[in-house]
Amino acid sequence: QLQLQESGPGLVKSSDTLSLSCSVSGGSVSRGTFYWGWIRQPPGKGLEWMGAVHNDGRTSYNPSLKSRITIVVDTSKNEFSLKFTSVTAADTAVYYCARRDDYYYYAVDVWGQGTTVTVSS
Amino acid sequence: QSVLTQPPSASGTPGQRVTISCSGSSSNLGSNTVNWYRQLPGTAPKLLIYRNNHRPSGVPDRFSGSKSGTSASLAIGGLQSDDEADYYCASWDDSLNGVVFGGGTKLTVL
Repeated sequence: QLQLQESGPGLVKSSDTLSLSCSVSGGSVSRGTFYWGWIRQPPGKGLEWMGAVHNDGRTSYNPSLKSRITIVVDTSKNEFSLKFTSVTAADTAVYYCARRDDYYYYAVDVWGQGTTVTVSS
Repeated sequence: QSVLTQPPSASGTPGQRVTISCSGSSSNLGSNTVNWYRQLPGTAPKLLIYRNNHRPSGVPDRFSGSKSGTSASLAIGGLQSDDEADYYCASWDDSLNGVVFGGGTKLTVL
């Protein structure tokens, strides 16, 4: 069964770049018809799609965040990563890495456990 | 403000049937399927319904989904105390080229 695990700093300074990685086990990032991406949830608020990269190279970025986001899939390490620039306190959130099945479920069907990121001033 | 619209709260008594609505537009629910997630405090969301009305393995048939046009709903029958959670609808949006979520509905079992 596919599992995702986020890793990265829990505390980032305002204006810095947030870098997170997502390790994939029980499956391969290079097989299938999937988007590999990131979803965040600010404290006490709802879910927000940040963006993702598809196996076929297509990308999907939230227009409101697009200028600040880079998502890269590393097939040699079987992981994918997020770089998120110029963070502010408003970017404090739980960050989930996730897989969106684009063939059967047409849904985000696998989630990491989430990692809490706090942006300090 | 979320692209999909859900009521912020819902409630019911044990054994009752509760429905949660989700409203969208032609670029999301109107042309793509809807999914539902359940999120318990401090945990990641879990897929509850996919492709409008299908349940992943392990999800009880007390949970059912439907969609018509640009609206969708999740029904929970035989309400149980451990159904207390936040419920989110989601869909693909062709205009935004990404997944959009509802704001979430907090279900309370009285």
